[in-house]
Amino acid sequence: DAGVIQSPRHEVTEMGQEVTLRCKPISGHDYLFWYRQTMMRGLELLIYFNNNVPIDDSGMPEDRFSAKMPNASFSTLKIQPSEPRDSAVYFCASSSPGQGVDEQYFGPGTRLTVT
Amino acid sequence: AQTVTQSQPEMSVQEAETVTLSCTYDTSESNYYLFWYKQPPSRQMILVIRQEAYKQQNATENRFSVNFQKAAKSFSLKISDSQLGDTAMYFCAFMKHLDSSYKLIFGSGTRLLVRP
Repeated sequence: DAGVIQSPRHEVTEMGQEVTLRCKPISGHDYLFWYRQTMMRGLELLIYFNNNVPIDDSGMPEDRFSAKMPNASFSTLKIQPSEPRDSAVYFCASSSPGQGVDEQYFGPGTRLTVT
Repeated sequence: AQTVTQSQPEMSVQEAETVTLSCTYDTSESNYYLFWYKQPPSRQMILVIRQEAYKQQNATENRFSVNFQKAAKSFSLKISDSQLGDTAMYFCAFMKHLDSSYKLIFGSGTRLLVRP
């Protein structure tokens, strides 16, 4: 398996623009997680899905952030409008606890820079 | 709420030596998982080792082993025969077991430098 795939790897955008980050989980995994990593706050969970359904979005910073999972093999995290404080590395991870895969496998991350 | 504390922001070790990274956590749960993840400069998060709280035996993966002290809520990572490729950030993480949330709670990380 190719592992968790994220795109783009790097994104530079101007304040106010819309940003869309993409994730393809490992095939067969039914849980998908979005994390954000910053120097100040470390790794924090933003939202996670089970069988394409959002379960907990309490970590989403504000209404400018939204996430979707239209099918089992694709998820997006959207920021609209983006702000400089959104600059961070965004990770997607997947797991399959029901099949004994409790550990989460992470994608390579997307480094977002908002100028 | 669960918390994970890594009290060593940075550590260094000579190549081929052994180093131990500390992690403590706070929880009222009796059943949970603990993980160590490695993040090299490439920033990829890589699972190093996992431990189920109900298992008394410490987990081992090649040169990596843990010292799990459930009563003390301590979960340290020992790296034996350190290699240059072990240079990375190391994160300790906690997850409740048999909980549909499967959330990972991460510590703040320890930056490890392996010196040649």
